Amino acid sequence: EIVLTQSPATLSLSPGEGATLSCRASQSVGSDLAWYQLKPGQAPRLLIYDASNRATGIPARVSGSGSGTNFTLTISSLEPEDFAVYYCQQRNNWLTFGGGTKVEIK
Amino acid sequence: QVQLVQSGAEVKKPGSSVKVSCKSSGDTFRTYTISWIRRAPGQGLEWMGSLIALHGITKYAQNLQDRMTIIADLSTTTAYMELSSLRSEDTAIYYCAVGGTYFDHWGQGTLVTVSS
Repeated sequence: EIVLTQSPATLSLSPGEGATLSCRASQSVGSDLAWYQLKPGQAPRLLIYDASNRATGIPARVSGSGSGTNFTLTISSLEPEDFAVYYCQQRNNWLTFGGGTKVEIK
Repeated sequence: QVQLVQSGAEVKKPGSSVKVSCKSSGDTFRTYTISWIRRAPGQGLEWMGSLIALHGITKYAQNLQDRMTIIADLSTTTAYMELSSLRSEDTAIYYCAVGGTYFDHWGQGTLVTVSS
């Protein structure tokens, strides 16, 4: 099983600041990686697929990069609606998720 | 726009079963792969299994395949997930989602609490 390790566990930032979230895979997943946003009481949302492609309706301030074992989700300037929990997920070998990064208001 | 609406919260006894529904508003339901994913308290997300609605072909996570069933009713555009022999570790929010490898659209989640 491919283990995805996300860091940091929690990111405390202010609106307008940039956020950089990391996802590291225990073995190469190529570009078979997605990012999701979860908010309490809401349906989760797909943000990025294939490591760097924005899903429909996702704003340009959200971007993904990386390949192999190291991936990054970047939010260039945090809006109030961006404070949430983010998960990475790989589909290269079965399907596994990371443990999540919570982006909270500082 | 695909919308998935799940059934309400459940409280179950250990050893019992739970069946969660997921109704799709889309008229292309038969083309979907429906997946189930759960999030236990303090844990990350866990993919549980997937169903190709048109063909009824399923794929389950190895640790759940003996206790889990996913079915789809094409006439009502509703998918169901049944989990048996419940234990306290099954307490979680259960989500349905469209997609077999990436998950494009999600339901709002159903809280299942397993407690004696």
